[in-house]
Amino acid sequence: DIQMTQSPSSLSASVGDRVTITCQASQDINNYLNWYQQKPGKAPKLLIYAASNLQTGVPSRFSGSGSGTDFTFTISSLQPGDIATYYCQHYDNFPPTFGQGTKVEIK
Amino acid sequence: QVQLQESGPGLVKPSQTLSLTCTVSGGSISSGDYYWSWIRQPPGKGLDWIGYIYYSGSTSYNPSLKSRVTMAVDTSKNQFSLKLNSVTAADTAVYYCASHPDSSVYVFDYWGQGALVTVSS
Repeated sequence: DIQMTQSPSSLSASVGDRVTITCQASQDINNYLNWYQQKPGKAPKLLIYAASNLQTGVPSRFSGSGSGTDFTFTISSLQPGDIATYYCQHYDNFPPTFGQGTKVEIK
Repeated sequence: QVQLQESGPGLVKPSQTLSLTCTVSGGSISSGDYYWSWIRQPPGKGLDWIGYIYYSGSTSYNPSLKSRVTMAVDTSKNQFSLKLNSVTAADTAVYYCASHPDSSVYVFDYWGQGALVTVSS
């Protein structure tokens, strides 16, 4: 199975800050990479698919980039409602696997 | 908009079988537009994909659980189900059902709210 490693595991930032999360795959996954947001007690929500495509209805302050093994997820201006854990997930081959998550908190 | 809802017992004894059902609304399983997956999340941990089923009944399971998993679909009720046998405490988790658009395109766009299943005597 492909291992997905996210960093950092957690971060604390101020409202309005730019937040960046990285996800590294253990092998080349092309651009077959999704990002999800999970708020406490809720199901994950798809934000970004195929590395850089914004899911319909998702605010434009969320973005993704990268290909191959190294990917970046960015919140351009952190809002209080963005407090959540963020997961990357590959689908380059079988089975799909997720990163361990990055918990984002407000400073 | 597709909506999914998990249901089933919240407590299962060790060595017994965990059974969950996912009811789909806002769309027909028989349309063939989606594949239907189960994903689980142990308390405080990350997400693990369990497997999927298609309306035709074709399935694909994660090799890590394949020997214990069975999925089925009931198109008349617009439901699909998960059975996991010989459970242990390690199977305690929130179980989610989710949809994705193709057998190899695991972009999970719709999710149920999740069902917590605790394995304990």
